[in-house]
Amino acid sequence: SQQGEEDPQALSIQEGENATMNCSYKTSINNLQWYRQNSGRGLVHLILIRSNEREKHSGRLRVTLDTSKKSSSLLITASRAADTASYFCATDGNQFYFGTGTSLTVIP
Amino acid sequence: NAGVTQTPKFQVLKTGQSMTLQCAQDMNHNSMYWYRQDPGMGLRLIYYSASEGTTDKGEVPNGYNVSRLNKREFSLRLESAAPSQTSVYFCASTSRWLATGELFFGEGSRLTVL
Repeated sequence: SQQGEEDPQALSIQEGENATMNCSYKTSINNLQWYRQNSGRGLVHLILIRSNEREKHSGRLRVTLDTSKKSSSLLITASRAADTASYFCATDGNQFYFGTGTSLTVIP
Repeated sequence: NAGVTQTPKFQVLKTGQSMTLQCAQDMNHNSMYWYRQDPGMGLRLIYYSASEGTTDKGEVPNGYNVSRLNKREFSLRLESAAPSQTSVYFCASTSRWLATGELFFGEGSRLTVL
């Protein structure tokens, strides 16, 4: 069974709004990563947060991690049409388990 | 700067046929992975190779075999294709020495089994 589950499955927002997606996982982790996938393309790494970190920023991305709840959130601020993509969380180990993804649509 | 290269990009097979998906990385990574992606299922790990000379099963290994040919190449073989193996297959690689620990993905191989 997969380690991560993203929520919501799909999200549609207006350009300029913020987008928040959540990830829950099942077992202890060393780190958690977020990836982006444009339609028909491979996944691209966005950000990694380690288990001893609670929050991390990268540009318009903000990631939080709550190890007690086994959950993480990805916030994209001031969204752009180009942010339209699917977003996946992945937990570490030898086996990099991915969640089912959140499909984000940003309407211009 | 090719990164992770997968071939072929598209393939149509008939049930029972065999084929091999090829993957090569030029980043000197020690670990390589094969995933399949199906609608609503996300990415599921088929097999991985933590280092040259080793391979291990992931979540969904049935019906597949792999070969870590050398440090650069990791192939995935379907011995007798079934319609349930219709999917998009992704190869990925990483190195434990990377501070980001990120996976680098190929562009995918789209397989249809009729």
